Amino acid sequence: QVQLQESGPGLVKPSQTLSLTCTVSGGSISSGAYYWSWIRQHPGKGLEWIGYIYSSGSTYYNPSLKSRVIMSIDTSKTQFSLKLRSVTAADTAIYYCARTSVWSREFDPWGQGALVIVSS
Amino acid sequence: DIQMTQSPPSLYASVGDRVTITCRASESISSYLNWYQQKPGMAPRLLISAASSLQSGVPSRFSGSGSGTDFTLTISSLQPEDFATYYCQQSYSTLLLTFGGGTKVEI
Repeated sequence: QVQLQESGPGLVKPSQTLSLTCTVSGGSISSGAYYWSWIRQHPGKGLEWIGYIYSSGSTYYNPSLKSRVIMSIDTSKTQFSLKLRSVTAADTAIYYCARTSVWSREFDPWGQGALVIVSS
Repeated sequence: DIQMTQSPPSLYASVGDRVTITCRASESISSYLNWYQQKPGMAPRLLISAASSLQSGVPSRFSGSGSGTDFTLTISSLQPEDFATYYCQQSYSTLLLTFGGGTKVEI
């Protein structure tokens, strides 16, 4: 049973970089069948796909965030990471990581989510 | 961008009711449509993929249908544990995956 767990600071100052890591357990992060995604949810709002990364390191980002996002993957640690630069209060959200099928691109399973607040 | 529009944004229902939620895509997405359930304080859970494929462990009272631009999620007999927010998601576009705005099912 694959499980995902987000970790990282819960408070980030404006203009700084948000950094989160997702640790995958119970399965291989190197499987060619999956992308590894980040999704966020603003408080009380809907879901926004941030992007995903393949085990090779290839990345696909939401165009609306592309200029500020960097994703990376460390297969030896079964982890993948998100960096979001130059954050503002509008980046305050719950950040989820999720596994994504290469073929049908549904998100399953999800991590429990990490609340990140951008505030000075 | 493919826009996903869900209706209604919220609905009130009773235990035992049949509930239908609609999701409309701004262009044809074939059957690349997934449904999720989210309860307060929890991550979304995949219910249905590819418009109508029920995920393992999901009760059979949930069903999905549709193709092209119009899709529905149906709960045949609403149970207390089904009160939640439901989201559709299109996975047709490999470069920009998008969600509907959600439908909150309330008592």
